[in-house]
Amino acid sequence: EPEVTQTPSHQVTQMGQEVILRCVPISNHLYFYWYRQILGQKVEFLVSFYNNEISEKSEIFDDQFSVERPDGSNFTLKIRSTKLEDSAMYFCASMGTPSSIGYEQYFGPGTRLTVT
Amino acid sequence: GESVGLHLPTLSVQEGDNSIINCAYSNSASDYFIWYKQESGKGPQFIIDIRSNMDKRQGQRVTVLLNKTVKHLSLQIAATQPGDSAVYFCAETRDGNKLVFGAGTILRVKS
Repeated sequence: EPEVTQTPSHQVTQMGQEVILRCVPISNHLYFYWYRQILGQKVEFLVSFYNNEISEKSEIFDDQFSVERPDGSNFTLKIRSTKLEDSAMYFCASMGTPSSIGYEQYFGPGTRLTVT
Repeated sequence: GESVGLHLPTLSVQEGDNSIINCAYSNSASDYFIWYKQESGKGPQFIIDIRSNMDKRQGQRVTVLLNKTVKHLSLQIAATQPGDSAVYFCAETRDGNKLVFGAGTILRVKS
């Protein structure tokens, strides 16, 4: 069964450093997302991406964040200068063409980012 | 503002019993709702979804009920098994782009 994959599974970085989180969405999917989950809290939307551009972003997704689809298979989230409060689990998700029922987003296993 | 399921309760059930997990949402403009299961250290796993023009949808051992009048969503799991132990999140969306998640419910299945 196709699945979303993410690397690395755990990233430790120092405050102020840049990090790039990588995702490989399901191959025929067209819509891509990043969410984050601070420990013990609910999953929060960061950004959605379609047709090589951001379609929606949340207040969390400020100028320190950027996304890119550098080739036909990868989808990346970059945090330019990490802060302590960026420590969280980051989930990538992808979706194919919306069905008659709705919008089924498939999530990857996540990257745990720890900023020290 | 938008908010879904502000509580994180814990539900303990005996193996073989039915489980009912509840969720409240506040955005009446939402037209699509999903239940996700999250096991420790893993990403959310899609369980079942429902559109706002439906009030019930059934899957394998799971049923989702939607009551738009009171903005309430529930997930029923029949014959709960130890493998069902996880955190369950409801999520809503208005346009399919951005999912708004609830805080989650912990389901513990006792053998």
